[in-house]
Amino acid sequence: GEDVEQSLFLSVREGDSSVINCTYTDSSSTYLYWYKQEPGAGLQLLTYIFSNMDMKQDQRLTVLLNKKDKHLSLRIADTQTGDSAIYFCAEILILVATGNNRKLIWGLGTSLAVNP
Amino acid sequence: IAGITQAPTSQILAAGRRMTLRCTQDMRHNAMYWYRQDLGLGLRLIHYSNTAGTTGKGEVPDGYSVSRANTDDFPLTLASAVPSQTSVYFCASSPGLAGFNEQFFGPGTRLTVL
Repeated sequence: GEDVEQSLFLSVREGDSSVINCTYTDSSSTYLYWYKQEPGAGLQLLTYIFSNMDMKQDQRLTVLLNKKDKHLSLRIADTQTGDSAIYFCAEILILVATGNNRKLIWGLGTSLAVNP
Repeated sequence: IAGITQAPTSQILAAGRRMTLRCTQDMRHNAMYWYRQDLGLGLRLIHYSNTAGTTGKGEVPDGYSVSRANTDDFPLTLASAVPSQTSVYFCASSPGLAGFNEQFFGPGTRLTVL
């Protein structure tokens, strides 16, 4: 079935690059997302990639998509202490309602700790 | 109001009591969602609404009900709270369902059921 998997923890030193990985199973997704959750707050969209793209770069963020392996990664260059947060990979599938249910698929989140 | 708000911020509730978590958005988004977030389980969808007047069940709907009388409000009700409903609850909204579907999240309600 559909599933999104992420490693739960990542620890890096300030100034280093962070790479957060995600695998997904449903190839019909058109968009894949990265959300960031800071301590005590709700989630905010950080970046996204359309499925016909292999890479997207936005300032310190680089998203790589390998459709063959169903692998998504988020690279944060020059990681800062303010980047400490939980990062969620998400694959949001809009299903034609059957039995009045729908499925939105989120990874469990990767907790990034940045050490000074 | 700017964006999406939730109330209360936190609540301690005795088991068996009824509780309504409030959610209001001012972005005129069609779709709204309720999630619960639990350690080790990530985000799980409780209920959703595609548009005012309609609602649907998510992954974990049992013990919860919702209503969507208008575009802005999407309250979540626990008819008879149980300790397993102790969680952080997030309301979210998005402009629609098709295509790019950024969800905007509220700040969350931390609920403890004793």
